[in-house]
Amino acid sequence: EAAVTQSPRNKVAVTGGKVTLSCNQTNNHNNMYWYRQDTGHGLRLIHYSYGAGSTEKGDIPDGYKASRPSQENFSLILELATPSQTSVYFCASGDWGADYAEQFFGPGTRLTVL
Amino acid sequence: SQWGEENLQALSIQEGEDVTMNCSYKTYTTVVQWYRQKSGKGPALIILIRSNEREKRSGRLRATLDTSSQSSSLSITGTLATDTAVYFCATGNNNAGAKLTFGGGTRLTVRP
Repeated sequence: EAAVTQSPRNKVAVTGGKVTLSCNQTNNHNNMYWYRQDTGHGLRLIHYSYGAGSTEKGDIPDGYKASRPSQENFSLILELATPSQTSVYFCASGDWGADYAEQFFGPGTRLTVL
Repeated sequence: SQWGEENLQALSIQEGEDVTMNCSYKTYTTVVQWYRQKSGKGPALIILIRSNEREKRSGRLRATLDTSSQSSSLSITGTLATDTAVYFCATGNNNAGAKLTFGGGTRLTVRP
């Protein structure tokens, strides 16, 4: 049973519109992450969270907001979507163990901004 | 080899061949993790190697780590068509909080 789920799986939005991507995890992990993956590139960290009520900026936070209302849920918000935000977005959860932090990823959301 | 914002590398081989992918990293790490991402899915951890290990094996996978050159490699022996995927290395340490830094990835295509 999938432990990290994302919705919607596909989204088409208009330029200037508001987009909310949702993520839910049943791993009971403290940390959650949002990445984007563009064709031919790796994963780039947008925002992350250490727990309910906390959000931190990742490497490319401009144009994005995040919200962590509970342990299980983490949302990524594009207040004014632009075509440059067309991408595949992945949510992940994880906890720092003794010496490393494995991350568990959701299936991704493909966002197209027209 | 892959790192950071580098573009995705690509390899195409025949089923049954062995393959090695390389990764270099820039900052101290306690562990190098290797993730595999199949088409249409999210990445998943397949093997990790700690900073006090030089080699780690798991089935047909072998990871190596050279902390002096800050590089790691992932080898797959006797590849199968089902090994077709993108492979990422990722590093992190306690000082970076809970973040991992992912390499640019290697797209491996195994032809049947």
